[in-house]
Amino acid sequence: GQNIDQPTEMTATEGAIVQINCTYQTSGFNGLFWYQQHAGEAPTFLSYNVLDGLEEKGRFSSFLSRSKGYSYLLLKELQMKDSASYLCAVSPGGSYIPTFGRGTSLIVHP
Amino acid sequence: EAQVTQNPRYLITVTGKKLTVTCSQNMNHEYMSWYRQDPGLGLRQIYYSMNVEVTDKGDVPEGYKVSRKEKRNFPLILESPSPNQTSLYFCASSLPTGGRYSYNEQFFGPGTRLTVL
Repeated sequence: GQNIDQPTEMTATEGAIVQINCTYQTSGFNGLFWYQQHAGEAPTFLSYNVLDGLEEKGRFSSFLSRSKGYSYLLLKELQMKDSASYLCAVSPGGSYIPTFGRGTSLIVHP
Repeated sequence: EAQVTQNPRYLITVTGKKLTVTCSQNMNHEYMSWYRQDPGLGLRQIYYSMNVEVTDKGDVPEGYKVSRKEKRNFPLILESPSPNQTSLYFCASSLPTGGRYSYNEQFFGPGTRLTVL
């Protein structure tokens, strides 16, 4: 089975940097995703990691350590519009369909 | 415009009255999935399909049925809805990117908010 853990809620200040952690235990591993979901809307894709290391994409970066079953999403220069839920999802071995964690609600305040 | 559509977007119904939530994608994706999202529980997979006539159970399939008779459509059927199926439902579609590190970016529909009284 799959077990994915991430903090329930985080708060941060506009302009700051925030790191959202995700730990996972899965039967096999076929990649880790991060999705962003604004309240009342559908999730949208942010990043995919399958190899160890950091992937940078503008203000957002995602890190993966397969040996530790650990990932984080780093958001820089926070903006008010970054207030959303951030979902960590893992594709187990042999499957392209990811399993989602419960999500981290990020609140950015002025 | 590439998109996943769901209908209806909102539905209030009563226990036991069969209903179908439709899902359609215009991206020629092979993979389609249904999720439900509940406060504190996150997105949980109900059923998924890897191609026409190929469906499989996700983590919470009880009380639901699906069919995949054609590539673009993946309806979710609740034969006898109960109040514990009150939830926000998302349909998603995806296609492997191909290449050495192929992955599926899920494209989600706008969601269907279902209330079962």
